[in-house]
Amino acid sequence: EPEVTQTPSHQVTQMGQEVILRCVPISNHLYFYWYRQILGQKVEFLVSFYNNEISEKSEIFDDQFSVERPDGSNFTLKIRSTKLEDSAMYFCASRENRDGETQYFGPGTRLLVL
Amino acid sequence: KQEVTQIPAALSVPEGENLVLNCSFTDSAIYNLQWFRQDPGKGLTSLLLIQSSQREQTSGRLNASLDKSSGRSTLYIAASQPGDSATYLCAVPNSGYSTLTFGKGTMLLVSP
Repeated sequence: EPEVTQTPSHQVTQMGQEVILRCVPISNHLYFYWYRQILGQKVEFLVSFYNNEISEKSEIFDDQFSVERPDGSNFTLKIRSTKLEDSAMYFCASRENRDGETQYFGPGTRLLVL
Repeated sequence: KQEVTQIPAALSVPEGENLVLNCSFTDSAIYNLQWFRQDPGKGLTSLLLIQSSQREQTSGRLNASLDKSSGRSTLYIAASQPGDSATYLCAVPNSGYSTLTFGKGTMLLVSP
């Protein structure tokens, strides 16, 4: 069964460093998402991406964040200058092309900023 | 702004019990609701998606119901097993591109 994959599974970085989280969505899906979950808190929406552009973003997704689909398969989240409060589990998700379809989530990348 | 609440926050039951997890949402103008399972430190596994036109959806021992007008959904787990131990999340899409708003989850522990 097709699945969303994410790399790395864990990342430790120093405050102020740039990180890139990578995702490979399910191949025939057209809508892509990033969510995050701070330890002990709710899963929160960050950004959605469709047709090679951001379609929606939350107030969390400030200028430190960016997303890109550099080729036909990868979908990346970049954090330009990490802060301690960016420590969280980051989930990528994808959806096929219709409203009402299930969103499929990847296993997540656990980011720890020291 | 959509808010999703799940009760109870935690539940501990002996193996074999039937149980009900509750989810409520403030904006009833949704077109589906999704239940997920999350194992500790892991990703989200989609369990069931109920369309707004449906009242129930079943998968194995799981049955989810949706009452849009009252802003509620329940997840019924029959004959619980220790392997069901996990956190169960419900999520509803916001308008537009279906970005999801999640509840905080119900942490379920099923003891042998």
